[in-house]
Parts: sequence; C-alpha cells; structure tokens
Amino acid sequence: EAEVAQSPRYKITEKSQAVAFWCDPISGHATLYWYRQILGQGPELLVQFQDESVVDDSQLPKDRFSAERLKGVDSTLKIQPAELGDSAMYLCASSLRGADGYTFGSGTRLTVV
Amino acid sequence: GQQLNQSPQSMFIQEGEDVSMNCTSSSIFNTWLWYKQEPGEGPVLLIALYKAGELTSNGRLTAQFGITRKDSFLNISASIPSDVGIYFCAYMNYGGSQGNLIFGKGTKLSVKP
Repeated sequence: EAEVAQSPRYKITEKSQAVAFWCDPISGHATLYWYRQILGQGPELLVQFQDESVVDDSQLPKDRFSAERLKGVDSTLKIQPAELGDSAMYLCASSLRGADGYTFGSGTRLTVV
Repeated sequence: GQQLNQSPQSMFIQEGEDVSMNCTSSSIFNTWLWYKQEPGEGPVLLIALYKAGELTSNGRLTAQFGITRKDSFLNISASIPSDVGIYFCAYMNYGGSQGNLIFGKGTKLSVKP
C-alpha cells in the first residue's frame, strides 16, 4: 500500500539551532501539505503545495519557517532558529484530489530543549 | 478556517460498550470526515460524508452528516481495546485553490479491557 514517507521520526534539538524535516509523498500526488500538531490539539495546516508552487502558506511563521518542493515531488520543511514552542509533531500529507486520497505520513516528533 | 467543536474531549469506557461522539460548527459544510490517530502515527481516514443526512458505516463505525450540515456524529459499537486513540472530525476548506483539511481538537478514547 502506498504511503507518505517522513524522516526523521524523532528529532531533539537545542533552541536557536536549525532543524529540517523531509517528506516524500505518494507517487502521483500533486498536492502536498505540512501540518503541525501540538500535544492535545488537532493538526493545523502550515503550508500547502500544488506541484512545486505554494498555494497556501498563510499560517506559516515565515520569520523562522521555510518550506520547499523544488521538483514538485519531495519536500523539506525547515525551522531556523528553533524555539521551545516549536516542540510538536510535524505531519506531511499528500492528496490526489481534494479529500480523496488525502494520506498522512507518520510524522516527525520534534523536541526543542 | 472555521472552528470545529468536538465533544466529549475524552472518554473512558469498558470494552464492549458503545461510544458516541460529535462535532459541531457554526458554519455549513459540504464534507465531513472522521479520522483516527494512534500514538506516534498520523491520522487515518475512517469515514467521509458528502451529503446532508448521509449515514455511512465502516465495520463497527457509523457516522452521520447532520441535516443542518453544521454537525456530524460518529458511533462505535461494541468497543475493543484497539479502538484506543484520538478521533478527529475535519472538513474540507476550499479557501485555497485545491482545498485542505481543517481539524477539530479531537476526542481521546480509552478502552478498559
């Protein structure tokens, strides 16, 4: 069964350091999403790509967060510098069209110390 | 996006009991989705609802799209220990060009054997 691959699964970093997460969507899925999930909350959208273009980054803290999907396939989310409040699960999802086929990866659990 | 209100926030039940949870909003939606998230994993789609009044089952799970289009219910019959997890309702937000999912805060289910 096709799945969304994310790495690393866990990351511990010191505040003020840079950290990066990687996502490989399901083959053929043009739309890719990055979500942040704080403990006890539902996932919240950070950024949405259609192929290599950003279509929604209204909730992305652009002073420290950046995301790219250079060839329209895999994607990287970066935080620089990391802050204590960035500790969360970072989830990647991809979809073929709308809600159909919307599939999440297993996420990266980030702890900032 | 519009806020979704899920209740209850958490449930502690005995194995074999039936479970009911709901999700409400002040806005009308065209799609309601229910996801389950297990510890350390991404959310997995359980049921998708596309029409007001629609009642859909997936094994022991049954979900309904409210007539007013402002609410949805998820029922689990004869609960088992593997039902443990967090259940999220979500709607498809078409503010962007392709749409993205907006989640409620979740209902945490604990099942005692």
